[in-house]
Amino acid sequence: DQQVKQNSPSLSVQEGRISILNCDYTNSMFDYFLWYKKYPAEGPTFLISISSIKDKNEDGRFTVFLNKSAKHLSLHIVPSQPGDSAVYFCLTYNQGGKLIFGQGTELSVKP
Amino acid sequence: NAGVTQTPKFQVLKTGQSMTLQCAQDMNHEYMSWYRQDPGMGLRLIHYSVGAGITDQGEVPNGYNVSRSTTEDFPLRLLSAAPSQTSVYFCASSYSRDPSGNTIYFGEGSWLTVV
Repeated sequence: DQQVKQNSPSLSVQEGRISILNCDYTNSMFDYFLWYKKYPAEGPTFLISISSIKDKNEDGRFTVFLNKSAKHLSLHIVPSQPGDSAVYFCLTYNQGGKLIFGQGTELSVKP
Repeated sequence: NAGVTQTPKFQVLKTGQSMTLQCAQDMNHEYMSWYRQDPGMGLRLIHYSVGAGITDQGEVPNGYNVSRSTTEDFPLRLLSAAPSQTSVYFCASSYSRDPSGNTIYFGEGSWLTVV
């Protein structure tokens, strides 16, 4: 039972354009979400997070939007750069404090 | 400040062999955990620890054993390796289980192949 779903395994965008990565979750009790970024042969690193008391959080080129009624969040990268090419994971925590990962979306930003 | 250090980075095992993946952190984090990453499945929790002397099972614990004798170290043992344990393993640590404002740090990964 995949509680956090990233339905697009890959995404390709042109440099300078917007990248939108999507994530859906099943449990309305989840109240904190994170996006992590992973380059090949490296561990995941923290990118941005959002609490359910907000519907938007912005950090430079990265913005995360949360739609609680739809149980959906999205990560926007504007403008996209070739260095953004990586796998992006959507994460949340269950009530026991255990991390739950989405499957990941591989973003490729082409020059 | 080394962060989270995992060794070895690459390992090939024969079916039935045992081995230990080492994980150490120098940030005085209480919470440590092990994940495996398989294609199309994200990262799945194997075991975790909320402090020295305390461990618990995650989502996919079978075939693995852990211990936490010190705050710094959290080794993962494969008791009798099977081809299904071919995967990339990540160790992670954080200050606590509270997610808000609590960054999780991951090691660089250990690539394990069981033949």
